[in-house]
Amino acid sequence: KQEVTQIPAALSVPEGENLVLNCSFTDSAIYNLQWFRQDPGKGLTSLLLIQSSQREQTSGRLNASLDKSSGRSTLYIAASQPGDSATYLCAVIYPKLIFGTGTRLQVFP
Amino acid sequence: DTEVTQTPKHLVMGMTNKKSLKCEQHMGHRAMYWYKQKAKKPPELMFVYSYEKLSINESVPSRFSPECPNSSLLNLHLHALQPEDSALYLCASSQGRGRDYSNQPQHFGDGTRLSIL
Repeated sequence: KQEVTQIPAALSVPEGENLVLNCSFTDSAIYNLQWFRQDPGKGLTSLLLIQSSQREQTSGRLNASLDKSSGRSTLYIAASQPGDSATYLCAVIYPKLIFGTGTRLQVFP
Repeated sequence: DTEVTQTPKHLVMGMTNKKSLKCEQHMGHRAMYWYKQKAKKPPELMFVYSYEKLSINESVPSRFSPECPNSSLLNLHLHALQPEDSALYLCASSQGRGRDYSNQPQHFGDGTRLSIL
């Protein structure tokens, strides 16, 4: 059974810091991996999709890497801003989406 | 603004009521999904429709009845719900069909927050 875990569960940092959010999964036979953000009471916004054959994807200040063999993905956020405050979810496509436990991020001015 | 629109945003209903949640997308996506999300938990898949046909039912109780009347619309009919069914119900869509949808990103709506009295 696929299990997806995210560490840390919560993170509070001052504005401007570079951040690393971690995602680990137990079965490496995934199709792809997708990162989302969720604002309180809202739906999910897709940030990045990494195909299983890729090692990383970049979008603006976000960079996501994937190491299938070790069952890990990281989301790197450069120069964090208060607007980045949200819950970040990784999801492995297996082929259905199985979500991780989430990291609740707060960036304060 | 999200490209997947869900109505209503909030719904309060009694256990004997019948209501429906609606989801609409105009991105030409042929796969549509219903998820259930409890507070402080990740979303859990309920149903997948591919080309207007139900392809995945994650052993969801029959008091939840999905319907896909056309390629742009997805409904979730609710009847005789229980208090534990109170949650945020999310709709999503993606390109592709069948197992091919796994290669495409899913786009989510803002959800319907459902409360069962």
